[in-house]
Amino acid sequence: AQKITQTQPGMFVQEKEAVTLDCTYDTSDPSYGLFWYKQPSSGEMIFLIYQGSYDQQNATEGRYSLNFQKARKSANLVISASQLGDSAMYFCAMSLNQAGTALIFGKGTTLSVSS
Amino acid sequence: DAGVIQSPRHEVTEMGQEVTLRCKPISGHNSLFWYRQTMMRGLELLIYFNNNVPIDDSGMPEDRFSAKMPNASFSTLKIQPSEPRDSAVYFCASTLLSGGVYNEQFFGPGTRLTVL
Repeated sequence: AQKITQTQPGMFVQEKEAVTLDCTYDTSDPSYGLFWYKQPSSGEMIFLIYQGSYDQQNATEGRYSLNFQKARKSANLVISASQLGDSAMYFCAMSLNQAGTALIFGKGTTLSVSS
Repeated sequence: DAGVIQSPRHEVTEMGQEVTLRCKPISGHNSLFWYRQTMMRGLELLIYFNNNVPIDDSGMPEDRFSAKMPNASFSTLKIQPSEPRDSAVYFCASTLLSGGVYNEQFFGPGTRLTVL
């Protein structure tokens, strides 16, 4: 069965430092998409970044990059130069083909950024 | 662009009552998803529609839950009768699926349901 695992319940980082949030996935489908969403305390779900299973290069969006290691089935999110506003819950998710159908979510990682 | 609109934003009801959650997807999107978020189970898919047709309802917990999408601009999720364990945040999301090309799912603000 398809599964997303986020093993870090909480992470702490200081402003301006980089942080890596871990995500591993399990699927036997060769075609899938990987997503990261941010959920601040206000509750909304904010899309951050996407990686397709056939994409050759790691995705980047501003300060966010996705470290995609297909053989290890990992899709870690790297946030460079953390800001106080990055404090939030972060969810890794997978869709079962690159067209982005329904998402399977991990349990999330709470990131706390301090000054 | 108004984004995905959900109503109500908060709902408090008593056990046994009927609850109806509403969602208006982004205009032009052809797929709509209902997710539920709880502390115990995290975020889980309940049901999704493509071109107003239910595609996968395997996440609907039981017969007390039903969802409809009568047209491209409106969907409802109904719980009847409601139970305290239904208390959660319910998210609606929409996207445009077109020829295998990726498109981001846009989430609504969610409806926080409390069943007493």
